[in-house]
Amino acid sequence: QKEVEQNSGPLSVPEGAIASLNCTYSDRGSQSFFWYRQYSGKSPELIMFIYSNGDKEDGRFTAQLNKASQYVSLLIRDSQPSDSATYLCAVSLSGNTPLVFGKGTRLSVIA
Amino acid sequence: KAGVTQTPRYLIKTRGQQVTLSCSPISGHRSVSWYQQTPGQGLQFLFEYFSETQRNKGNFPGRFSGRQFSNSRSEMNVSTLELGDSALYLCASSLSTATDTQYFGPGTRLTVL
Repeated sequence: QKEVEQNSGPLSVPEGAIASLNCTYSDRGSQSFFWYRQYSGKSPELIMFIYSNGDKEDGRFTAQLNKASQYVSLLIRDSQPSDSATYLCAVSLSGNTPLVFGKGTRLSVIA
Repeated sequence: KAGVTQTPRYLIKTRGQQVTLSCSPISGHRSVSWYQQTPGQGLQFLFEYFSETQRNKGNFPGRFSGRQFSNSRSEMNVSTLELGDSALYLCASSLSTATDTQYFGPGTRLTVL
């Protein structure tokens, strides 16, 4: 059973702080890793994907992947109240296998 | 470019009935995936279609079925509805594989009474 684990939260951070969201996965052969953001009552939207060990930065977002530890994280710098949402981690073995989603971490950015 | 559309947006059914949900992917996208989202279980994969063929299937009972048409539009059907089928059903389209960027539709909220 392939599993993706996330702390459900809520994770509360003050405006302007760094929010750190974590995700672990069970299948060592996983190749592709995604972070989605889902606002309440809306559908998920892709924030970032990462395939290789290390860091990948996109604006205020940084994804970090450590395949040896089976761990992927998302850092949000200069957090804004508009970042308040549920963040979903998704993992796939290969291009033609479906994504497995974690249950999400609810982030609350306090103004 | 138009996004993924799903119809209907809301449905109320009673136990034992069946329901059909529709999804129109982004133009040019050939892969359509369906997910069930509930507060307790999160986002769970139902199935994926590519070129009118089911390419992947999740761990759901046979009451859940789907199909894809030649224009890539997809439908899913749930027969003999149960209370536990109440959920948000999301469709996502991507260019060709499930790990290309997936674009989600707004979902269909199904309530089973």
